[in-house]
Amino acid sequence: ETGVTQTPRHLVMGMTNKKSLKCEQHLGHNAMYWYKQSAKKPLELMFVYSLEERVENNSVPSRFSPECPNSSHLFLHLHTLQPEDSALYLCASSQERLAGADTQYFGPGTRLTVL
Amino acid sequence: SQKIEQNSEALNIQEGKTATLTCNYTNYSPAYLQWYRQDPGRGPVFLLLIRENEKEKRKERLKVTFDTTLKQSLFHITASQPADSATYLCALAVYGQNFVFGPGTRLSVLP
Repeated sequence: ETGVTQTPRHLVMGMTNKKSLKCEQHLGHNAMYWYKQSAKKPLELMFVYSLEERVENNSVPSRFSPECPNSSHLFLHLHTLQPEDSALYLCASSQERLAGADTQYFGPGTRLTVL
Repeated sequence: SQKIEQNSEALNIQEGKTATLTCNYTNYSPAYLQWYRQDPGRGPVFLLLIRENEKEKRKERLKVTFDTTLKQSLFHITASQPADSATYLCALAVYGQNFVFGPGTRLSVLP
């Protein structure tokens, strides 16, 4: 297992629910990321945080709301999701943002199912 | 338009053979290319990185090549084992931009 943890590992929610995904990295990294992985599609970058500041939002619907209270923690708040939002949500961290030689360390992911 | 393709969605090979996975890209000028392994229901795990000025990189049974003229990277696993069965992702890093991942190739090594 890597130094990035995610909870919960599995989540089933209705379209009217509000839930949050949590990510924690124990690596002392400065950049954290949320990715969405749907079946048979490439990883989609959703949000990027560098030193707790959101630096990128890749046209993600407002029903996904990220929060980065400090450089070790990252949340993804979910509300009024759609069934097509069902996917594996992955958190990752790297030493710095936009450093191509940096390795991205991924958490195990949260398998989200929206009913 | 920019595109990353990995040779096939799935690849089956016999144990002991060399597996060769391909990553092709168009309209990118990557400074680095990385390969990751992903097991079902898990996050990707970093394997190897190769820079634009490097032709080849090796790590144990793994070898990566990078041809910026062909816009292609090849990922080889020699003496493959059933434990090598997983999905393998290539990721491009362009200066000043975030990583972009390919769709992955699911490798099955048959005993």
